[in-house]
Amino acid sequence: EAGVAQSPRYKIIEKRQSVAFWCNPISGHATLYWYQQILGQGPKLLIQFQNNGVVDDSQLPKDRFSAERLKGVDSTLKIQPAKLEDSAVYLCASSRGQGANDNSPLHFGNGTRLTVT
Amino acid sequence: RKEVEQDPGPFNVPEGATVAFNCTYSNSASQSFFWYRQDCRKEPKLLMSVYSSGNEDGRFTAQLNRASQYISLLIRDSKLSDSATYLCVVNIWNQGGKLIFGQGTELSVKP
Repeated sequence: EAGVAQSPRYKIIEKRQSVAFWCNPISGHATLYWYQQILGQGPKLLIQFQNNGVVDDSQLPKDRFSAERLKGVDSTLKIQPAKLEDSAVYLCASSRGQGANDNSPLHFGNGTRLTVT
Repeated sequence: RKEVEQDPGPFNVPEGATVAFNCTYSNSASQSFFWYRQDCRKEPKLLMSVYSSGNEDGRFTAQLNRASQYISLLIRDSKLSDSATYLCVVNIWNQGGKLIFGQGTELSVKP
């Protein structure tokens, strides 16, 4: 089974620039997550999709972050404009989960390490 | 109060030691629980799920106490390769299956 694919692996941008990350989940996985992990902290959920609908985006800074999952498969996360505090690893994960009470584990991609200077 | 809180680390233990980590959660609607392991500069990987009756996987034992809203992870006979950050994860069913991570507890096993 192919894993969760993310690109790029690394990105360095200046503040106020824009950046986009891409994620391809494991085939057949209904639920897709984007997490932000700042150094020394646990992953923080930004947005959760089930198929192509948003389940939770309460912690997504919507003035600068946006995400979409067209056709319920691939997803992109965009930051525009970036701030210094956006420097972090952005992790995409997927699970089979079809509902709130599903206990399917998360499978993570390698992440994108973003540095904003 | 954070939704999921873990013991602050780091834990530095000698090989062969037994070490335990605790994790508390604030939302009583939380219904499923996991421990993930994260190696330095790598993505988190599932270590084990936590079942109501407690469960064991080799040297690892996970327990759940719903009344007190905490879960624990016990590692026996620590190995150098156990050195990593251990993340507690809670699935909040009444929030659409939202998966919340704790901040992680770093373990360093020394020879």
